[in-house]
Amino acid sequence: DQQVKQNSPSLSVQEGRISILNCDYTNSMFDYFLWYKKYPAEGPTFLISISSIKDKNEDGRFTVFLNKSAKHLSLHIVPSQPGDSAVYFCAASNTGNQFYFGTGTSLTVIP
Amino acid sequence: DGGITQSPKYLFRKEGQNVTLSCEQNLNHDAMYWYRQDPGQGLRLIYYSQIVNDFQKGDIAEGYSVSREKKESFPLTVTSAQKNPTAFYLCASSIGGAIWGYTFGSGTRLTVV
Repeated sequence: DQQVKQNSPSLSVQEGRISILNCDYTNSMFDYFLWYKKYPAEGPTFLISISSIKDKNEDGRFTVFLNKSAKHLSLHIVPSQPGDSAVYFCAASNTGNQFYFGTGTSLTVIP
Repeated sequence: DGGITQSPKYLFRKEGQNVTLSCEQNLNHDAMYWYRQDPGQGLRLIYYSQIVNDFQKGDIAEGYSVSREKKESFPLTVTSAQKNPTAFYLCASSIGGAIWGYTFGSGTRLTVV
């Protein structure tokens, strides 16, 4: 059973606008969350993280929001750039060792 | 440059054969991981190792085996007992547990013919 879900397989956004990628989880014990970005034929690269003691973490154009009561997190990219076009995975853990990954959302930023 | 190297990039195996996927890192990371990716599914953990000579099963360890004789190396053997071995396999490492973020290799695509 999928404990981490990304219900939007794809998303298209105009360059300069905001991209919002969503992720839902089922296990209330998850306390650490990561976002990864993956280009074709490459391994995923770490993007940003958030722990359950926070509800927001920001790093440049990337911001992750965590809503623990809704078991929902989102990644905001603003402004979106063509180089952001990739597949984005969210991942969650309650042990710090085993992370559960979502199925990914393919983001296309249109110039 | 530091990183993780997975080889080969593409691998074909006949049914009933064992095959070993290589994973080497020069990041001096203690922890290493093997994930499997199938279409429409998230990455699923096969095995992980936090220190040399120790490893733990993940959610889908059946049909796989690993060894961790050196800090730099964490090979994965896909045995003939694995019912659906065709998949994309990703190796990752972390400085001290995945909470610090993984560094992933570029993956090996295994196809059983």
